[in-house]
Amino acid sequence: DIQMTQSPSSLSASVGDRVTITCRASQGIRNDLGWYQQRPGKVPKRLIYAASSLQSGVPSRFSGSGSGTEFTLTISSLQPEDFATYYCLQQNSYPLTFGGGTKVEIK
Amino acid sequence: QVQLVQSGAEVKKPGSSVRVSCKAFGGTFSSFAISWVRQAPGQGLEWMGGITPVFGTTKYAQKFQGSVTITADGATTTAYMELSSLRSEDTAVYFCGVGSLDGTSEYWGQGTLVTVSS
Repeated sequence: DIQMTQSPSSLSASVGDRVTITCRASQGIRNDLGWYQQRPGKVPKRLIYAASSLQSGVPSRFSGSGSGTEFTLTISSLQPEDFATYYCLQQNSYPLTFGGGTKVEIK
Repeated sequence: QVQLVQSGAEVKKPGSSVRVSCKAFGGTFSSFAISWVRQAPGQGLEWMGGITPVFGTTKYAQKFQGSVTITADGATTTAYMELSSLRSEDTAVYFCGVGSLDGTSEYWGQGTLVTVSS
């Protein structure tokens, strides 16, 4: 199985900050990676697919980059509604695997 | 646009089984890739398995091999996830998700809480 290592597991940031979250795959997955946001008690929402494609309706402050084994989700200017937990998901091969999550908290 | 509606919360005894349904409204059901994901209280997301009806393929995470069965009924546009031999550790919210085969669209159900308790 492909292991997805996500870092950091949590971070504190202020509104307006630039935030970067990283996922590392245990083997190459091309660009078969998605990023998800989950607010407490809510359904996960996909922000990015194919590593860098912005899901329709998602604000442009979210961006994704990377290929192979290293991937990054960037929030260019953190907004109050962005405080949530973020997950990466590799969709290159079965079983699909999630990263452990990054909780973004208010500083 | 696709809407997914899952069945309601369940309370089960250890050792029993549970079946959760996920009905799709809109879209072309047979062209979806359907996944089931669960989230234990305070924990992260865990992919359990999925089915792609157009290819007739079903895949499971090794952890769930032998205990989970995922099926899809095109006539009723409903997917099912059955988990057997329930233990307290299976207490979780179970989500269904469908994605277009080109990967550009994805939709999730509202989640179903399954509580396993004696």
